[in-house]
Amino acid sequence: DAGVIQSPRHEVTEMGQEVTLRCKPISGHNSLFWYRQTMMRGLELLIYFNNNVPIDDSGMPEDRFSAKMPNASFSTLKIQPSEPRDSAVYFCASSPLSVGLRYGYTFGSGTRLTVV
Amino acid sequence: QKEVEQNSGPLSVPEGAIASLNCTYSDRVSQSFFWYRQYSGKSPELIMSIYSNGDKEDGRFTAQLNKASQYVSLLIRDSQPSDSATYLCAVNYAGNNRKLIWGLGTSLAVNP
Repeated sequence: DAGVIQSPRHEVTEMGQEVTLRCKPISGHNSLFWYRQTMMRGLELLIYFNNNVPIDDSGMPEDRFSAKMPNASFSTLKIQPSEPRDSAVYFCASSPLSVGLRYGYTFGSGTRLTVV
Repeated sequence: QKEVEQNSGPLSVPEGAIASLNCTYSDRVSQSFFWYRQYSGKSPELIMSIYSNGDKEDGRFTAQLNKASQYVSLLIRDSQPSDSATYLCAVNYAGNNRKLIWGLGTSLAVNP
C-alpha cells in the first residue's frame, strides 16, 4: 500500500495567489482529514469527511479556505487568496470508519506551504 | 473549550533510562486517548492508544490512563537515541465523532 499521498511536498507562492493541495487516501479508508500544523498552534483539524461527505468544517479558518472530496480516492484543499499567515505544514490523514479510531489515523507526508 | 496540555520540554534522558511523558485533558467526558510520535520534518505516527483506566503495554512503551485525575502518560523503557522525537497526545471526546483534540507535544531527546 502506498499510504496517504499528498502533493505537492513543498509550495512557495506569492500572497494573493490561489493554492491547491491534493490528497489521495489509502484505498478502503472512508474517513479523510485535513490538518494544519504550526509551531504556535500545533495540529489543528480543518475539516473531515466520511464517505466523501463533509462532517465537520468548524476548523476552516475563513472563507478563503475550501475543501472538496469528489470521490473516495481524491480530495483537495484550496486557499484563495493566500496570505503569509497561511504558511504552515498541511497534512492529510485517512482512516477506516469501520474500526473507529482504534488504529488512529494514517498521515500523509504533508505539504509545506510558504506564502511570501 | 476542550484542551489537551503537555509540557513542551525538551525532556532529556540518557540512553537506557525511562522517559516519562505526561498529558492532561480538560473534559471528563472523553473516550479514547492516543500517543503519536513525530520525527522532525515528518508526519505523526500512532504508537499507542488506550481506552480504559490502567496500564497498557506494547514492547518498550506503556500507556497509563487515569480518568479520575484526567491524565494520560507514556513511559518509554530502555530509551534509545532513535526515540528522540516529539510526542503528541490526542484525545477523542464523546460526541465528537472522529475528531481528535491534540496537545502541542513534548520534545524528547535521548542522549547516547
